Amino acid sequence: TQLLEQSPQFLSIQEGENLTVYCNSSSVFSSLQWYRQEPGEGPVLLVTVVTGGEVKKLKRLTFQFGDARKDSSLHITAAQPGDTGLYLCAGRSNSNSGYALNFGKGTSLLVTP
Amino acid sequence: GAGVSQTPSNKVTEKGKYVELRCDPISGHTALYWYRQSLGQGPEFLIYFQGTGAADDSGLPNDRFFAVRPEGSVSTLKIQRTERGDSAVYLCASSFSSGDTQYFGPGTRLTVL
Repeated sequence: TQLLEQSPQFLSIQEGENLTVYCNSSSVFSSLQWYRQEPGEGPVLLVTVVTGGEVKKLKRLTFQFGDARKDSSLHITAAQPGDTGLYLCAGRSNSNSGYALNFGKGTSLLVTP
Repeated sequence: GAGVSQTPSNKVTEKGKYVELRCDPISGHTALYWYRQSLGQGPEFLIYFQGTGAADDSGLPNDRFFAVRPEGSVSTLKIQRTERGDSAVYLCASSFSSGDTQYFGPGTRLTVL
């Protein structure tokens, strides 16, 4: 199994602060995806990064894929309470089909007003 | 349009009982995936269908778990002789084709007493 380690596991910050969460692996991935999951809901895709060194921006969220395609980070600028949720990174697994997603344990983010 | 729907939203059963969980994918999506998410963990792959056939069942934990998709649309995950360790949220996802973006349903929370 290709392990994806996410850190920190929990993060509690105040509105307006910046934060970075990390997703690391010893395995190379052809692509990595970031999802956000709210309580009682399924994960929702935020972004897919494909190229080593790639940086993608989604409003206040900045995603980076490591040069070696083994790690990724998510940076949130000026966090808002609406950013609260579980942030998951996922890569295509080396399962039989190659289409299953292998998820990290997630970073649970709480942004308080 | 309608997203992935799952029924029931909650299921409480007793140890040793049989349960069925249903997934209605997005109309027109040919690929369907089942994942299991335990408390404090990311989703864990169970099985993937392309059309009616199970293309990859390498994530099923044992032979108590079985899934079908007889007409290439709705899928049912079946768990025999449930155990307390089966308690988790069971997520279903669908994609237009294999390898495309997976869209997740809200999940079924299974509790085995």
